[in-house]
Amino acid sequence: EAEVAQSPRYKITEKSQAVAFWCDPISGHATLYWYRQILGQGPELLVQFQDESVVDDSQLPKDRFSAERLKGVDSTLKIQPAELGDSAMYLCASSSINTEAFFGQGTRLTVV
Amino acid sequence: GESVGLHLPTLSVQEGDNSIINCAYSNSASDYFIWYKQESGKGPQFIIDIRSNMDKRQGQRVTVLLNKTVKHLSLQIAATQPGDSAVYFCAGGNQGGKLIFGQGTELSVKP
Repeated sequence: EAEVAQSPRYKITEKSQAVAFWCDPISGHATLYWYRQILGQGPELLVQFQDESVVDDSQLPKDRFSAERLKGVDSTLKIQPAELGDSAMYLCASSSINTEAFFGQGTRLTVV
Repeated sequence: GESVGLHLPTLSVQEGDNSIINCAYSNSASDYFIWYKQESGKGPQFIIDIRSNMDKRQGQRVTVLLNKTVKHLSLQIAATQPGDSAVYFCAGGNQGGKLIFGQGTELSVKP
């Protein structure tokens, strides 16, 4: 069964350091999402791509967060510098025109 | 602004009973609603979805009801099993676009 792949599963970093997460969507899915989920809350959209183009990054803290999907396939989300409040689960999801969003297992980030 | 909220943060049911998880939304423009199940340490897993032109949809042991008049949807799980224990999220939006998630309800199934 096709899955959204994310790595790493867990990441511990010191505040002010840079950190990056990687996502490989389900093959053929043109839409890719990055969500952030704080413990005990629902996921919140950070950025949405349609192929290689950003269609919604209104909730992305652009002073420290960046996301790219250069070839319209896999994607990287970067935080620089990381802050204590960035500790959360970072979820990647993908969808095609007629499917729901499928989520990966997420990257659990802890900033110390 | 837009919001999607769940009525109860926790729900405890006996194994074999039916479970009902409720959700309210504020954005009348949402045309698509979806329920996800999330187990500890894992990503959300699709359960069932419903379009705004429907008021009921059934899956295997699950039923979603949508009441657009009062902006309310519910997830019904029949014959709840221990494996159903998880956090359940409702989300609303437009298919292929941004989903607004609720806070989640933690379902505990007692054997």
